[in-house]
Amino acid sequence: DTAVSQTPKYLVTQMGNDKSIKCEQNLGHDTMYWYKQDSKKFLKIMFSYNNKELIINETVPNRFSPKSPDKAHLNLHINSLELGDSAVYFCASSQAPRQGAYEQYFGPGTRLTVT
Amino acid sequence: SQQGEEDPQALSIQEGENATMNCSYKTSINNLQWYRQNSGRGLVHLILIRSNEREKHSGRLRVTLDTSKKSSSLLITASRAADTASYFCATDNSGYSTLTFGKGTMLLVSP
Repeated sequence: DTAVSQTPKYLVTQMGNDKSIKCEQNLGHDTMYWYKQDSKKFLKIMFSYNNKELIINETVPNRFSPKSPDKAHLNLHINSLELGDSAVYFCASSQAPRQGAYEQYFGPGTRLTVT
Repeated sequence: SQQGEEDPQALSIQEGENATMNCSYKTSINNLQWYRQNSGRGLVHLILIRSNEREKHSGRLRVTLDTSKKSSSLLITASRAADTASYFCATDNSGYSTLTFGKGTMLLVSP
């Protein structure tokens, strides 16, 4: 009964390729997020989706694009992969933030290695 | 931009001892949250403390918040080997649950 799941867990690919990471949550949450954790464990928000609408979009390259087919899924597409994209990507979800302050539930992460 | 800054960066203690981690931040916040990350895993939420609260408890965890000093502390009492993990504070200063994480404290609890 995984609450937030991501696939794949590991992704090794070459520079210039296009790849996607999938995320699904079964918690009935309205908001989903993508984070990037670098090699020094620094975690930074990339995107947030609320009811299928992008509500924040941090300064990430436009090679990264979130796609939400429904409120239970938020996929991350990455075009023209670069070496610097190597990191662990985490998906998370929470209840709608405007209704109060809520904790976020994180997926297990996808370790992306670009060679 | 980075908001929270945890201190110490690493902490090594024996089982049964208490562990205290501190977090400082720069701007006003809506709430502050603490998360734990075991090696190779995702983050797990521990405690959320709102800006109008000063202290919260959850089991062996105690969190304090001092908004005048822009700082928070996480105390783990009677630590166990299973508490070995990285601990992150995260601030929400937008009200949109946009969390800004610190660099974390690596806690090692030896049996």
